[in-house]
Amino acid sequence: DQQVKQNSPSLSVQEGRISILNCDYTNSMFDYFLWYKKYPAEGPTFLISISSIKDKNEDGRFTVFLNKSAKHLSLHIVPSQPGDSAVYFCAASEARQTGTASKLTFGTGTRLQVTL
Amino acid sequence: DTGVSQNPRHKITKRGQNVTFRCDPISEHNRLYWYRQTLGQGPEFLTYFQNEAQLEKSRLLSDRFSAERPKGSFSTLEIQRTEQGDSAMYLCASSSPRDNNQPQHFGDGTRLSIL
Repeated sequence: DQQVKQNSPSLSVQEGRISILNCDYTNSMFDYFLWYKKYPAEGPTFLISISSIKDKNEDGRFTVFLNKSAKHLSLHIVPSQPGDSAVYFCAASEARQTGTASKLTFGTGTRLQVTL
Repeated sequence: DTGVSQNPRHKITKRGQNVTFRCDPISEHNRLYWYRQTLGQGPEFLTYFQNEAQLEKSRLLSDRFSAERPKGSFSTLEIQRTEQGDSAMYLCASSSPRDNNQPQHFGDGTRLSIL
């Protein structure tokens, strides 16, 4: 039962263009969402998060959009840079519902390749 | 602010042996999590500590697995009688107690290979 889905295993984007990574979830109890970036042989690095009370959060070149009715979120990277080439994981948790910091449920990742 | 530290980085062992991994969280992070990641998958939750209390365990954590955090600082994850299927990357993460919407910060993991 895959509660968090990233349906695109890979994405290739030219340097300077926008990268859009998508994520869908099925558990309506999820209320906190995160994006992580992972390079080979390293652990996931936190990028940006969004609470379910918002529909957009921005941090520099990274913006996360949340559509609760569609149970969909997306990560926009603009402009894309070669150093952004990595695997991106979407994650979700039931932080508020459980009243305690909760486990993360991850998608299977999207490999982003930014070409020159 | 040093990050989450995991040791060893790699562990190769024969099937049936016991292994133990260590995780040192970011200082002042009272929440500590263990995850497992296999090839082509995202990390999967194993267990979670708040201070020294183990508050949640996944059904992935069979009785061959045990985790401890005796003084609420570092944690250990032990796997007894290792099996081929235990081969994976074991990741540790920690988060701040400030509020529930705090991101988890991960270490670089321990890669376990069972011969």
